[in-house]
Amino acid sequence: DQQVKQNSPSLSVQEGRISILNCDYTNSMFDYFLWYKKYPAEGPTFLISISSIKDKNEDGRFTVFLNKSAKHLSLHIVPSQPGDSAVYFCAASAGEYGNKLVFGAGTILRVKS
Amino acid sequence: DVKVTQSSRYLVKRTGEKVFLECVQDMDHENMFWYRQDPGLGLRLIYFSYDVKMKEKGDIPEGYSVSREKKERFSLILESASTNQTSMYLCASNFRQGMNTEAFFGQGTRLTVV
Repeated sequence: DQQVKQNSPSLSVQEGRISILNCDYTNSMFDYFLWYKKYPAEGPTFLISISSIKDKNEDGRFTVFLNKSAKHLSLHIVPSQPGDSAVYFCAASAGEYGNKLVFGAGTILRVKS
Repeated sequence: DVKVTQSSRYLVKRTGEKVFLECVQDMDHENMFWYRQDPGLGLRLIYFSYDVKMKEKGDIPEGYSVSREKKERFSLILESASTNQTSMYLCASNFRQGMNTEAFFGQGTRLTVV
């Protein structure tokens, strides 16, 4: 049973426009959510996170929104750049479970110039 | 600069061989993880360790074992490699307690079993 779901396998966006990546979760014990970016043949790198006590966190071009009632989070990238083309993974953890990270299947983002 | 280091970037092994993947972290993290990444399946957890000599099965432990004799080192063992274990293997670590649970990843090991 997938606890973290990214239902869009891929997304294509024009350079300069907004990219919106979505993630849903089922476990209400999750209290921390993260986004990772991964290039081919490299390990994932941390992008941005949000605690369950917040509904928004912003870092430069990246903003993560959390809707706890809907068990949904999204990552907004504005403006999108060709270098943002990568696989984006949503992850969640629960302090109660010792902060074990559970990942979604990933979304391939392609930013066209 | 925090670091998670995996012993090999690329490995080619024969079916039936015993394979060792090593991971070392220098951040004094309690938790260490082994994931595999396959297209369309994301990062699937193989095993998780929350302390020295402690381990917990992840979602896909079959065909794998792990060893954690020291806090900084976590080894993944393929007891008898099979072609369906061809994959990208990723090691990660984070703190067990507290709100900052960001995990740091190694560079990955691309394993091919022939």
